[in-house]
Amino acid sequence: GAGVSQSPRYKVTKRGQDVALRCDPISGHVSLYWYRQALGQGPEFLTYFNYEAQQDKSGLPNDRFSAERPEGSISTLTIQRTEQRDSAMYRCASSLEAGDSPKYEQFFGPGTRLTVL
Amino acid sequence: KQEVTQIPAALSVPEGENLVLNCSFTDSAIYNLQWFRQDPGKGLTSLLLIQSSQREQTSGRLNASLDKSSGRSTLYIAASQPGDSATYLCAVGGSGNTPLVFGKGTRLSVIA
Repeated sequence: GAGVSQSPRYKVTKRGQDVALRCDPISGHVSLYWYRQALGQGPEFLTYFNYEAQQDKSGLPNDRFSAERPEGSISTLTIQRTEQRDSAMYRCASSLEAGDSPKYEQFFGPGTRLTVL
Repeated sequence: KQEVTQIPAALSVPEGENLVLNCSFTDSAIYNLQWFRQDPGKGLTSLLLIQSSQREQTSGRLNASLDKSSGRSTLYIAASQPGDSATYLCAVGGSGNTPLVFGKGTRLSVIA
Protein backbone atom coordinates (compact mmCIF):
# COMPACT_ATOMS: atom_id res chain seq x y z
CA GLY A 1 0.00 0.00 0.00
CA ALA A 2 0.92 3.63 -0.25
CA GLY A 3 1.23 4.22 3.47
CA VAL A 4 0.93 2.64 6.88
CA SER A 5 -2.59 1.44 7.58
CA GLN A 6 -4.18 0.56 10.89
CA SER A 7 -7.42 -1.14 11.77
CA PRO A 8 -9.81 -0.63 13.25
CA ARG A 9 -9.70 3.17 13.27
CA TYR A 10 -11.97 3.26 16.30
CA LYS A 11 -12.59 0.59 18.91
CA VAL A 12 -14.98 0.81 21.83
CA THR A 13 -14.88 -2.07 24.25
CA LYS A 14 -15.99 -2.93 27.73
CA ARG A 15 -13.62 -3.28 30.60
CA GLY A 16 -12.25 -6.81 30.82
CA GLN A 17 -12.50 -7.61 27.13
CA ASP A 18 -9.50 -8.40 24.96
CA VAL A 19 -8.73 -6.25 21.90
CA ALA A 20 -6.43 -6.75 18.92
CA LEU A 21 -5.12 -3.79 16.96
CA ARG A 22 -3.63 -4.32 13.53
CA CYS A 23 -0.87 -2.48 11.69
CA ASP A 24 0.05 -2.97 8.04
CA PRO A 25 3.37 -1.20 7.36
CA ILE A 26 4.64 0.25 4.12
CA SER A 27 5.64 -2.59 1.82
CA GLY A 28 9.32 -3.46 2.23
CA HIS A 29 9.80 -1.60 5.47
CA VAL A 30 11.94 -3.57 7.86
CA SER A 31 11.16 -1.87 11.15
CA LEU A 32 7.74 -1.50 12.77
CA TYR A 33 6.99 0.50 15.90
CA TRP A 34 4.04 0.78 18.25
CA TYR A 35 3.39 3.95 20.21
CA ARG A 36 0.60 5.12 22.49
CA GLN A 37 -0.55 8.70 22.65
CA ALA A 38 -2.65 10.27 25.38
CA LEU A 39 -4.54 13.49 24.80
CA GLY A 40 -2.24 16.49 24.83
CA GLN A 41 0.90 14.38 24.91
CA GLY A 42 3.38 13.16 22.36
CA PRO A 43 3.44 9.49 21.39
CA GLU A 44 5.21 7.16 23.81
CA PHE A 45 7.08 4.07 22.69
CA LEU A 46 5.60 0.64 23.41
CA THR A 47 7.57 -1.90 21.35
CA TYR A 48 9.26 -2.39 18.01
CA PHE A 49 10.28 -5.08 15.54
CA ASN A 50 12.98 -5.58 12.96
CA TYR A 51 11.53 -8.08 10.51
CA GLU A 52 9.69 -10.58 12.73
CA ALA A 53 11.99 -10.18 15.73
CA GLN A 54 10.78 -8.08 18.62
CA GLN A 55 13.75 -5.88 19.47
CA ASP A 56 12.50 -3.98 22.48
CA LYS A 57 9.34 -4.29 24.50
CA SER A 58 10.40 -2.17 27.41
CA GLY A 59 7.63 0.35 26.78
CA LEU A 60 4.79 -2.11 27.22
CA PRO A 61 3.02 -1.02 30.43
CA ASN A 62 2.42 -4.51 31.84
CA ASP A 63 1.97 -8.13 30.83
CA ARG A 64 -1.56 -7.55 29.55
CA PHE A 65 0.05 -5.98 26.49
CA SER A 66 1.73 -8.09 23.83
CA ALA A 67 2.67 -7.71 20.19
CA GLU A 68 3.69 -9.95 17.35
CA ARG A 69 4.83 -9.70 13.76
CA PRO A 70 5.05 -13.35 12.74
CA GLU A 71 5.92 -12.93 9.07
CA GLY A 72 7.82 -9.68 9.27
CA SER A 73 5.01 -7.63 7.77
CA ILE A 74 1.65 -7.12 9.50
CA SER A 75 1.76 -6.67 13.26
CA THR A 76 -0.88 -7.11 15.94
CA LEU A 77 -0.91 -5.39 19.31
CA THR A 78 -3.09 -7.28 21.78
CA ILE A 79 -4.41 -5.93 25.05
CA GLN A 80 -5.92 -8.49 27.37
CA ARG A 81 -8.48 -7.74 30.08
CA THR A 82 -8.71 -4.10 29.07
CA GLU A 83 -8.96 -1.39 31.70
CA GLN A 84 -10.22 2.18 31.40
CA ARG A 85 -6.66 3.50 31.72
CA ASP A 86 -5.83 1.71 28.44
CA SER A 87 -7.97 4.24 26.55
CA ALA A 88 -5.71 6.15 24.18
CA MET A 89 -4.68 6.53 20.56
CA TYR A 90 -2.46 3.65 19.49
CA ARG A 91 -0.11 4.53 16.67
CA CYS A 92 1.98 2.36 14.41
CA ALA A 93 4.97 3.48 12.36
CA SER A 94 7.37 1.83 9.97
CA SER A 95 10.80 2.65 8.62
CA LEU A 96 13.04 1.37 5.90
CA GLU A 97 16.40 0.08 7.01
CA ALA A 98 18.89 1.14 4.36
CA GLY A 99 22.42 -0.01 4.93
CA ASP A 100 24.36 2.63 3.06
CA SER A 101 22.19 5.61 3.76
CA PRO A 102 20.27 4.93 6.92
CA LYS A 103 17.75 7.71 7.22
CA TYR A 104 15.40 5.65 9.35
CA GLU A 105 12.61 8.11 8.77
CA GLN A 106 9.49 6.85 10.47
CA PHE A 107 6.11 7.00 8.75
CA PHE A 108 3.01 6.82 10.85
CA GLY A 109 -0.41 5.34 10.28
CA PRO A 110 -3.68 7.09 11.19
CA GLY A 111 -3.90 5.37 14.55
CA THR A 112 -6.55 3.37 16.39
CA ARG A 113 -8.61 5.28 18.95
CA LEU A 114 -9.34 2.82 21.76
CA THR A 115 -12.04 3.60 24.30
CA VAL A 116 -12.56 1.26 27.22
CA LEU A 117 -15.88 1.75 29.00
CA LYS B 1 16.83 8.82 29.86
CA GLN B 2 16.21 11.11 26.92
CA GLU B 3 13.70 13.89 27.49
CA VAL B 4 12.35 16.20 24.83
CA THR B 5 10.81 19.57 25.60
CA GLN B 6 8.93 21.84 23.23
CA ILE B 7 8.35 25.50 23.81
CA PRO B 8 5.90 27.14 23.56
CA ALA B 9 3.09 24.69 24.25
CA ALA B 10 0.72 26.83 22.19
CA LEU B 11 1.15 29.72 19.81
CA SER B 12 -1.30 31.95 17.98
CA VAL B 13 -0.10 34.24 15.18
CA PRO B 14 -1.68 36.31 12.43
CA GLU B 15 -1.43 35.06 8.88
CA GLY B 16 1.78 36.00 7.10
CA GLU B 17 4.03 36.01 10.13
CA ASN B 18 7.28 34.10 10.26
CA LEU B 19 7.56 31.94 13.36
CA VAL B 20 9.93 29.65 15.22
CA LEU B 21 9.11 26.55 17.21
CA ASN B 22 11.67 25.28 19.68
CA CYS B 23 12.69 21.78 20.70
CA SER B 24 15.32 20.79 23.25
CA PHE B 25 16.60 17.39 24.28
CA THR B 26 18.67 16.31 27.26
CA ASP B 27 20.98 13.70 25.71
CA SER B 28 22.97 15.05 22.78
CA ALA B 29 23.95 11.54 21.59
CA ILE B 30 21.15 11.39 19.03
CA TYR B 31 21.10 9.74 15.64
CA ASN B 32 18.48 11.92 14.03
CA LEU B 33 15.66 14.34 14.75
CA GLN B 34 12.29 14.41 13.08
CA TRP B 35 9.62 17.10 12.98
CA PHE B 36 6.02 15.99 12.53
CA ARG B 37 2.71 17.68 11.98
CA GLN B 38 -0.41 16.32 13.67
CA ASP B 39 -3.89 17.33 12.59
CA PRO B 40 -6.89 16.54 14.83
CA GLY B 41 -8.13 13.00 14.33
CA LYS B 42 -5.41 12.22 11.84
CA GLY B 43 -2.01 10.60 11.79
CA LEU B 44 1.40 12.16 12.10
CA THR B 45 2.89 13.59 8.93
CA SER B 46 6.67 13.68 8.72
CA LEU B 47 7.83 17.16 7.77
CA LEU B 48 11.60 17.04 8.02
CA LEU B 49 14.27 14.65 9.19
CA ILE B 50 17.72 15.89 10.16
CA GLN B 51 20.51 13.39 10.63
CA SER B 52 22.99 14.02 13.42
CA SER B 53 25.70 15.00 10.93
CA GLN B 54 23.50 17.71 9.39
CA ARG B 55 22.80 21.18 10.63
CA GLU B 56 19.59 21.97 8.77
CA GLN B 57 16.98 20.75 6.34
CA THR B 58 14.57 22.73 4.23
CA SER B 59 11.27 21.89 2.62
CA GLY B 60 9.27 24.67 1.02
CA ARG B 61 8.43 27.25 3.68
CA LEU B 62 9.86 25.05 6.44
CA ASN B 63 13.40 25.07 7.71
CA ALA B 64 14.63 22.93 10.57
CA SER B 65 17.99 23.42 12.25
CA LEU B 66 19.88 21.17 14.62
CA ASP B 67 22.53 22.06 17.17
CA LYS B 68 23.35 18.68 18.61
CA SER B 69 25.96 19.87 21.07
CA SER B 70 23.54 22.23 22.77
CA GLY B 71 20.61 19.83 22.47
CA ARG B 72 18.40 22.12 20.43
CA SER B 73 16.41 22.20 17.24
CA THR B 74 14.19 24.86 15.76
CA LEU B 75 11.49 24.69 13.14
CA TYR B 76 11.10 27.90 11.20
CA ILE B 77 7.88 28.48 9.28
CA ALA B 78 7.93 31.34 6.80
CA ALA B 79 4.88 33.35 5.78
CA SER B 80 2.47 31.33 7.90
CA GLN B 81 -0.96 30.42 6.52
CA PRO B 82 -4.19 29.28 8.22
CA GLY B 83 -3.56 25.83 6.75
CA ASP B 84 -0.44 25.59 8.89
CA SER B 85 -2.62 25.36 11.99
CA ALA B 86 -1.84 22.05 13.64
CA THR B 87 0.23 20.53 16.43
CA TYR B 88 3.92 20.24 15.64
CA LEU B 89 5.88 17.45 17.29
CA CYS B 90 9.62 17.07 17.63
CA ALA B 91 11.12 13.60 18.10
CA VAL B 92 14.67 12.32 18.50
CA GLY B 93 16.11 8.96 17.59
CA GLY B 94 18.87 7.50 19.74
CA SER B 95 20.52 5.31 17.17
CA GLY B 96 19.64 3.82 13.81
CA ASN B 97 16.21 2.32 13.68
CA THR B 98 15.32 2.72 17.30
CA PRO B 99 12.16 4.23 18.73
CA LEU B 100 11.65 7.95 18.75
CA VAL B 101 11.29 10.01 21.89
CA PHE B 102 8.70 12.73 21.39
CA GLY B 103 8.04 16.10 22.92
CA LYS B 104 4.52 17.11 23.88
CA GLY B 105 4.16 19.34 20.86
CA THR B 106 3.40 22.95 20.07
CA ARG B 107 -0.19 23.74 19.11
CA LEU B 108 -0.10 26.40 16.41
CA SER B 109 -3.03 28.55 15.33
CA VAL B 110 -2.63 30.86 12.35
CA ILE B 111 -5.39 33.44 12.28
CA ALA B 112 -6.62 34.76 8.93
